[in-house]
Amino acid sequence: QQQVKQSPQSLIVQKGGISIINCAYENTAFDYFPWYQQFPGKGPALLIAIRPDVSEKKEGRFTISFNKSAKQFSLHIMDSQPGDSATYFCAASKGSARQLTFGSGTQLTVLP
Amino acid sequence: EAGVTQSPTHLIKTRGQQATLRCSPISGHTSVYWYQQALGLGLQFLLWYDEGEERNRGNFPPRFSGRQFPNYSSELNVNALELEDSALYLCASSLVAEQYFGPGTRLTVT
Repeated sequence: QQQVKQSPQSLIVQKGGISIINCAYENTAFDYFPWYQQFPGKGPALLIAIRPDVSEKKEGRFTISFNKSAKQFSLHIMDSQPGDSATYFCAASKGSARQLTFGSGTQLTVLP
Repeated sequence: EAGVTQSPTHLIKTRGQQATLRCSPISGHTSVYWYQQALGLGLQFLLWYDEGEERNRGNFPPRFSGRQFPNYSSELNVNALELEDSALYLCASSLVAEQYFGPGTRLTVT
């Protein structure tokens, strides 16, 4: 059973545009929601994370929006750059069971 | 500050053999997690070690095992290798919630 659903599978954005990736979760016990960026041949790098008591968190060009009632969260990349072209994963974990449940990933391509 | 390191980078084994993968966490981190990233299956949780103890394991058979040493480094062992074990094995470390990943070990089973 996939507990974190991520969409879209792939996304093409023009340089300077806004990239939006969405995730939905089923388990209401999840209380930590990070986003990771992965380049080919590299391990995932932690970008930004949020907890359910906050509806939005911004770090530089990256913003997480969180909707607890809808059980959804999204990543917005403002002013997207070709260097942002990578695979992005959302994830979730719950309480003391800290292992991450990952979404299926979104391959982002930013055209120059 | 050094990040999570993993060795070897690549590992090629034959079906039925055993593989040993190693991970050194970020200094000060006490938890180590292992994930499998197989083509088409995404990132799946394997094992979590904290303070030398196995805290949780994912939905993988018992031939996947590991341990954490007193210096918090960790080892993942995969016995009786099968072709579908071919994947990128990622180690992450954390002190609390934030997990930081290493570059992974690419295991190929032929």
